[in-house]
Amino acid sequence: QVHLVQSGAEVKKPGASVKVSCKASGYSFNNYGMHWVRQAPGQRPEWMGWINADNGYVKYSEKLYARVSLTRDISATTGYMELSSLRSEDTAVYYCARGSNTGWLRYWLDPWGQGTLVTVSS
Amino acid sequence: EIVLTQSPGTLSLSPGERATLSCRASQSISGTYLAWYQQTPGQAPRLLIYGASSRASGIPDRFSGSGSGTDFTLTISRLEPGDFAVYFCQQYGTSPITFGQGTRLEI
Repeated sequence: QVHLVQSGAEVKKPGASVKVSCKASGYSFNNYGMHWVRQAPGQRPEWMGWINADNGYVKYSEKLYARVSLTRDISATTGYMELSSLRSEDTAVYYCARGSNTGWLRYWLDPWGQGTLVTVSS
Repeated sequence: EIVLTQSPGTLSLSPGERATLSCRASQSISGTYLAWYQQTPGQAPRLLIYGASSRASGIPDRFSGSGSGTDFTLTISRLEPGDFAVYFCQQYGTSPITFGQGTRLEI
């Protein structure tokens, strides 16, 4: 069965960075891509970016491209999302989700990880 | 970017009834690249429908999707207690990928 298991909740101060991991199992990791989506309290989900798990090619949202970095470790079947220069508005639940490795478009997100709450507070 | 607007914001129904949820796009969604997800508190979103009308694996046929262009609908026939959740739509045909604000289905 396909599973994505994310790392635990984080509390960070403004200006710091956070790195969230997403461990994949039940499928051939490098045959798919991985999306990252965040959802702030009471807000709609926001797409952050996508990584091709095979070759590491990334596509970031225009809003976050200067602060977000997506990487992956094929041997560990794990994807990572790092967000820098954190501010209070980055407080949200962060999700990873499996996608296609042919591109960030034209393929749905399934399944999703359980989510990681990142709280940014002084 | 394509803005998705869902209606109603909250839908109050009873088990056994039929639910109709709407998702309207600010511009035409190419290739019917529209998905629906279900989210219950504290849980990961679950894919219900992709390609506007195709049910994901394991999703009962009580869930159906329809629509094209800018207007899409998720229909849940014969509501069961576990169906009361938040539903949101997503377009994945044009960059950036965007989501609706969600419809809360409550008893």
